[in-house]
Amino acid sequence: AQSVTQPDIHITVSEGASLELRCNYSYGATPYLFWYVQSPGQGLQLLLKYFSGDTLVQGIKGFEAEFKRSQSSFNLRKPSVHWSDAAEYFCAGTRAAGNKLTFGGGTRVLVKP
Amino acid sequence: DSGVTQTPKHLITATGQRVTLRCSPRSGDLSVYWYQQSLDQGLQFLIQYYNGEERAKGNILERFSAQQFPDLHSELNLSSLELGDSALYFCASSESGISYNEQFFGPGTRLTVL
Repeated sequence: AQSVTQPDIHITVSEGASLELRCNYSYGATPYLFWYVQSPGQGLQLLLKYFSGDTLVQGIKGFEAEFKRSQSSFNLRKPSVHWSDAAEYFCAGTRAAGNKLTFGGGTRVLVKP
Repeated sequence: DSGVTQTPKHLITATGQRVTLRCSPRSGDLSVYWYQQSLDQGLQFLIQYYNGEERAKGNILERFSAQQFPDLHSELNLSSLELGDSALYFCASSESGISYNEQFFGPGTRLTVL
């Protein structure tokens, strides 16, 4: 079955430190992958997406993600977090020509001053 | 602001009742998706409409139904409500009917069933 897994439910990071959020996928073929962020009381905002080509994808707000086929992973990174990055982050995927997103369980990020 | 609007923002109702959630997609978007976000189930895809036609179905209960109108707004109808239906319901829209196009999410409707 097609699935997206985020192994970490919570991550606490100090402001200015680097952040890496893990995402693993299980699809028969290369999926289309997305990272969304949900701030408290808000809807989801797309950070970045991977369809094909360069395995390192740049997104908004200083985020990037790397697609690694050998590890079935699509981890999200940010070199230096800001207090405003405290939010819940969702990895999502869909198969090629698919028409619904499957979301991971989300990772809640807390930023310490 | 994603350009997707949802009403109402909050809804409190009792078990057994029926409610309607409304979504207006971004201007020009033909596809509307409905998602349910709950603590125990996470974020789950319910159903997708494209230009008035049902395109894909996910984990949508038989008590739930949706439609997309000629002006492209969509409504999600939830009936015979149960306590477990309490959740945040999101609508998203995209330009086309293919989900690897970016989906823009509305702010959600928080449903509380008492």
